[in-house]
Amino acid sequence: GAGVSQSPSNKVTEKGKDVELRCDPISGHTALYWYRQSLGQGLEFLIYFQGNSAPDKSGLPSDRFSAERTGGSVSTLTIQRTQQEDSAVYLCASSPEYLRTYEQYFGPGTRLTVT
Amino acid sequence: AQTVTQSQPEMSVQEAETVTLSCTYDTSESDYYLFWYKQPPSRQMILVIRQEAYKQQNATENRFSVNFQKAAKSFSLKISDSQLGDAAMYFCALGGSQGNLIFGKGTKLSVKP
Repeated sequence: GAGVSQSPSNKVTEKGKDVELRCDPISGHTALYWYRQSLGQGLEFLIYFQGNSAPDKSGLPSDRFSAERTGGSVSTLTIQRTQQEDSAVYLCASSPEYLRTYEQYFGPGTRLTVT
Repeated sequence: AQTVTQSQPEMSVQEAETVTLSCTYDTSESDYYLFWYKQPPSRQMILVIRQEAYKQQNATENRFSVNFQKAAKSFSLKISDSQLGDAAMYFCALGGSQGNLIFGKGTKLSVKP
């Protein structure tokens, strides 16, 4: 079956512009996670969804970041007024169940470059 | 707080040889999961191996095995008979309280022919 997909694969934007990153999880997966991987850093957890609900948004780096999930499927991570420090690879992962075995399947990521 | 530390930014191994990647972690949980993920240049994170803390036996997956020392909070990955395709970034991860994964900063593994 199809894996986790993310779009766009690469995004170059000017400082101050808004961007939307999309994640299509594996069909039927109830949990969805967003991570950020900055150059030379590990993966930083941003937010998770259980169904359409995001119980804890404290991992988002600033109030310029927001995320939503609709229909228990597609999720969008939006960054408003992008800054150069937002440049990173944004990875999405989905899981069959929340907090079971942490069996997470990752997408290929979106590389965001802010110029 | 839950943390994961990988102290080897880069490692190198000769093809067909064995290499061990180190990882230490900290958690106050008594039951938890530990993982090794591989990330090739394609960026796709691939699960290599998973260990459940309550299991005494070290996990193995073909050429990949772990040395899990719960008291020492150590979780190293051994790759036997290294192949060129094993070259990648390797991340150690701990299952977090929100169902997320907490990652170390990674070890870049090079395999020499």
